[in-house]
Amino acid sequence: EVQLVESGGGLAQPGGSLRLTCAASGFTFNKIGMMWVRQTPGKGLEWLSHISAGGSPTFYAASLGGRFTISRDNIKNLLLLQMNNLRVEDTAVYYCAGGGSPDFWGQGTLVTVSS
Amino acid sequence: AGLTQPPSESKGLGQTATLTCTGNSDNVGQSGAAWLQQHQGHPPRVLSYRLRDNDRPPGISERFSASRSGNTASLTISGVQPEDEADYYCSTWDITLNTWLFGGGTKLTVL
Repeated sequence: EVQLVESGGGLAQPGGSLRLTCAASGFTFNKIGMMWVRQTPGKGLEWLSHISAGGSPTFYAASLGGRFTISRDNIKNLLLLQMNNLRVEDTAVYYCAGGGSPDFWGQGTLVTVSS
Repeated sequence: AGLTQPPSESKGLGQTATLTCTGNSDNVGQSGAAWLQQHQGHPPRVLSYRLRDNDRPPGISERFSASRSGNTASLTISGVQPEDEADYYCSTWDITLNTWLFGGGTKLTVL
């Protein structure tokens, strides 16, 4: 069974940092491109970043302004998102997702940025 | 550039709903679109794969079918049921922008 489990969300102050982790299982992780998507409560889906199966290339939404970095560990089957210089408007549920549609999604982790 | 979806659609029980997603030749026209369903409080789940029109995701009812004409993708839901009330998103890759796109979503209400 495919499983994606996000962790690392929580409360952060404006200007602070958080690192999200997505643990993958049930599929050949090193063969699948992965991405991070977020959703503000009551709003639509916003794509943030994509990383290819082997780790490069990577792509980012222009709106992030270089504040976020996606990476992966194909030995430990982990997808990571380093988020720096957080803003109040980064408050959202963050999902990791994989495959070409994307085909499968985690349950999400809530990030709240507030002073 | 983006994917355009009507914000809402209402259908009576048992009717057929057709949801649309309009892009351009760099995204939908290039590689079609996937369709995702999201119930309140739950993560999205894929209803139809991008680039794999003949593959149905596990557990997805045959009442859901996807198609494409030019730069517009469509999701048809036959015999709408109460459990189909949800938000529906289209998604695809844009080869010029090098970004993944999601439509704004269509909220389907079952009357």
